[in-house]
Amino acid sequence: EAGVAQSPRYKIIEKRQSVAFWCNPISGHATLYWYQQILGQGPKLLIQFQNNGVVDDSQLPKDRFSAERLKGVDSTLKIQPAKLEDSAVYLCASSTRGGLYDEQFFGPGTRLTVL
Amino acid sequence: RKEVEQDPGPFNVPEGATVAFNCTYSNSASQSFFWYRQDCRKEPKLLMSVYSSGNEDGRFTAQLNRASQYISLLIRDSKLSDSATYLCVVNGDSNYQLIWGAGTKLIIKP
Repeated sequence: EAGVAQSPRYKIIEKRQSVAFWCNPISGHATLYWYQQILGQGPKLLIQFQNNGVVDDSQLPKDRFSAERLKGVDSTLKIQPAKLEDSAVYLCASSTRGGLYDEQFFGPGTRLTVL
Repeated sequence: RKEVEQDPGPFNVPEGATVAFNCTYSNSASQSFFWYRQDCRKEPKLLMSVYSSGNEDGRFTAQLNRASQYISLLIRDSKLSDSATYLCVVNGDSNYQLIWGAGTKLIIKP
């Protein structure tokens, strides 16, 4: 079974530029998560989708970050404009239903460096 | 107080030793608990769920202490390959929200 796919794996941009990340979850998984992981910290949830609806985006900096999950399958996360503090690994994960007891499966992440 | 707290370590442990670390949580109503493992520059992967009665998977034992609001992870006969960061995950106030700790770094030395 194919895992969670993410692209690109690495991205280097200058501050104030825009960047987009793509995620394709495990087939059949209803729930998709985007996390930001800064070096030395645990993953921080940015947004959680259930099918193509948003369940939680309380920690998404909406003035610069946006995400969509069209057709309830793959998803994109965009940052516009980027700031230095956005340098982090952006992890996408999926789970079958998003329940409290469901395992989350992670993609390899996109390592973003903002100069 | 942070919602989920872990000692960042690193814990430097000789191969073959037993090591244990805890994770404290603030929400007394939390129902789901997990340990994830994250290797250096890799994504997190589920190590084990933590059940009320405690559970064991080979060399790994997880326990829940509701009275003191912490979960623990015990690793016996540690291997070099156990070197990783161990992330504690606990559910928050809502029915779907999971809170991640910052992780405990474990280094197993030959």
